[in-house]
Amino acid sequence: KAGVTQTPRYLIKTRGQQVTLSCSPISGHRSVSWYQQTPGQGLQFLFEYFSETQRNKGNFPGRFSGRQFSNSRSEMNVSTLELGDSALYLCASSPRDNQETQYFGPGTRLLVL
Amino acid sequence: KQEVTQIPAALSVPEGENLVLNCSFTDSAIYNLQWFRQDPGKGLTSLLLIQSSQREQTSGRLNASLDKSSGRSTLYIAASQPGDSATYLCAVTGGSYIPTFGRGTSLIVHP
Repeated sequence: KAGVTQTPRYLIKTRGQQVTLSCSPISGHRSVSWYQQTPGQGLQFLFEYFSETQRNKGNFPGRFSGRQFSNSRSEMNVSTLELGDSALYLCASSPRDNQETQYFGPGTRLLVL
Repeated sequence: KQEVTQIPAALSVPEGENLVLNCSFTDSAIYNLQWFRQDPGKGLTSLLLIQSSQREQTSGRLNASLDKSSGRSTLYIAASQPGDSATYLCAVTGGSYIPTFGRGTSLIVHP
């Protein structure tokens, strides 16, 4: 089976712009979770989607949003980018929920200038 | 609010040593605890998952234990190899279903 894929792998944006990141889970997996990793805050949970519905959400402002499509692929969007949004954004999939073993993608590295 | 602490933050050992990495958490009402490894600039690889009803899990040279009452987990790596060099993270998931990660232990195994 192919692993979790994320696109793009690298991205450079300027403050105020918006960005959309994409995640394709392992075939058959219905749960997709997103995480932000920074040197200052470590790895933090953003949100989890299951069957096109957001099931859980971490403590992030409303500028961070996501969605999941019927084929379980997921996108996350960050609007009005700030310098502090520079991070590695990781996506993870699991068959049913994030209580199971999660399989992570390679991440998208976002740099905000 | 769940807090997860990993000690030590960094570790450098010669090849062949047996290692113990520690993870502690403040709220014992958890569903599971997972150990991951992360290679520089890459995503995470799941190593072991321990359900709250379990005491330990083993995979090859890795053994993870869980003591909910004391809020601790240990990851034991036997006969360490240079290929084990990576950052090891533990994550705890509780009633909120939100995984909380520690800051990790950066491990270097030198030949």
